[in-house]
Amino acid sequence: DAGVIQSPRHEVTEMGQEVTLRCKPISGHDYLFWYRQTMMRGLELLIYFNNNVPIDDSGMPEDRFSAKMPNASFSTLKIQPSEPRDSAVYFCASSPSVYEREDEQFFGPGTRLTVL
Amino acid sequence: RKEVEQDPGPFNVPEGATVAFNCTYSNSASQSFFWYRQDCRKEPKLLMSVYSSGNEDGRFTAQLNRASQYISLLIRDSKLSDSATYLCVVDSGGYQKVTFGIGTKLQVIP
Repeated sequence: DAGVIQSPRHEVTEMGQEVTLRCKPISGHDYLFWYRQTMMRGLELLIYFNNNVPIDDSGMPEDRFSAKMPNASFSTLKIQPSEPRDSAVYFCASSPSVYEREDEQFFGPGTRLTVL
Repeated sequence: RKEVEQDPGPFNVPEGATVAFNCTYSNSASQSFFWYRQDCRKEPKLLMSVYSSGNEDGRFTAQLNRASQYISLLIRDSKLSDSATYLCVVDSGGYQKVTFGIGTKLQVIP
């Protein structure tokens, strides 16, 4: 199993540019999560999906951020326009559906985003 | 008050030492608890789940204290390879939604 796949692994862009991060979850997993990690705030949940449907996007910082999951094997997180304070490591994670309890989340390697 | 609080450390301990981390949580309705490990510049990975009765996996022991709303992780006979950041994770009330603590950094020194 290839695990969760994220691309790109590194992204350097200039303020104001659009950034698109991509994720392929583990096949058969029903849940997909997008997290952002910084030194100051740690790992923060941005949004998560169940069977391709967004369940909770309360962690999305503002309208500049949007996420989609058009099918079970692909999700994107888009930032438009990007700002220097968006610089962070963005992780995608997936987990299987386990009735009535949380289960292990499997993380991708992350995308290290730098906005100049 | 933060949902999940951890001492960020770093904890610097010699090889062979025993070290313990605590983590407090604010949601008394939380039911699921975990410890994840994150190596430098890598993704978090599940270390162990934390059960009400406490559980052990080799040199690692996890405990849950519901009355005081904290979980703990004990590492015995520390190895150099244990050097990492240990993340406390607690469910947030939404199904499959969890909150990660800031993490406690452990450095085991020879």
